[in-house]
Amino acid sequence: AQSVSQHNHHVILSEAASLELGCNYSYGGTVNLFWYVQYPGQHLQLLLKYFSGDPLVKGIKGFEAEFIKSKFSFNLRKPSVQWSDTAEYFCAVKGTGGFKTIFGAGTRLFVKA
Amino acid sequence: DAGITQSPRHKVTETGTPVTLRCHQTENHRYMYWYRQDPGHGLRLIHYSYGVKDTDKGEVSDGYSVSRSKTEDFLLTLESATSSQTSVYFCAISEGGYEQYFGPGTRLTVT
Repeated sequence: AQSVSQHNHHVILSEAASLELGCNYSYGGTVNLFWYVQYPGQHLQLLLKYFSGDPLVKGIKGFEAEFIKSKFSFNLRKPSVQWSDTAEYFCAVKGTGGFKTIFGAGTRLFVKA
Repeated sequence: DAGITQSPRHKVTETGTPVTLRCHQTENHRYMYWYRQDPGHGLRLIHYSYGVKDTDKGEVSDGYSVSRSKTEDFLLTLESATSSQTSVYFCAISEGGYEQYFGPGTRLTVT
């Protein structure tokens, strides 16, 4: 079955700390991968996406993610977080031949000022 | 932000009553989706549409139906609301089935 697993449900960091959020997926085929962010009280917004090519993808607000095909992983990173990064982060996967996207359960990040 | 609106934004209803949520887009995107968001579950797909009058079930479709008579509107109906359908409902649109753009959400409480 297709699935997305996010390892951490809650993460608390201090400002300027580095961030890495884990994401692993299970899918029998080639995939498109996404990270979405949901700020408190808002709707989901696209943070970054991977379709093909360079497995290191850069997104908005200094975020990046690396696709490691052999590990079925697409981890999100940011070298130095800010208080404004407090949000919930969702990893998502879509098969390249389809149009349904599977979302992970989300990781709530709280950044202490 | 993509032109997506949802109505109502908040609703409280009683068990057993029918409820219809509306999603309206101004982007002329082909694909539209309804998700529910619950703590610990992320977003779960209820139904989706790949064109006018073309819809299909998602992973949690029981108790829900949808209709799409125009490109811009996608309606989600709870035929007889239950407390387990208390949730936040998000509509999303996509062109080409790639990244999705989400609406502001509808918070539904079934008492």
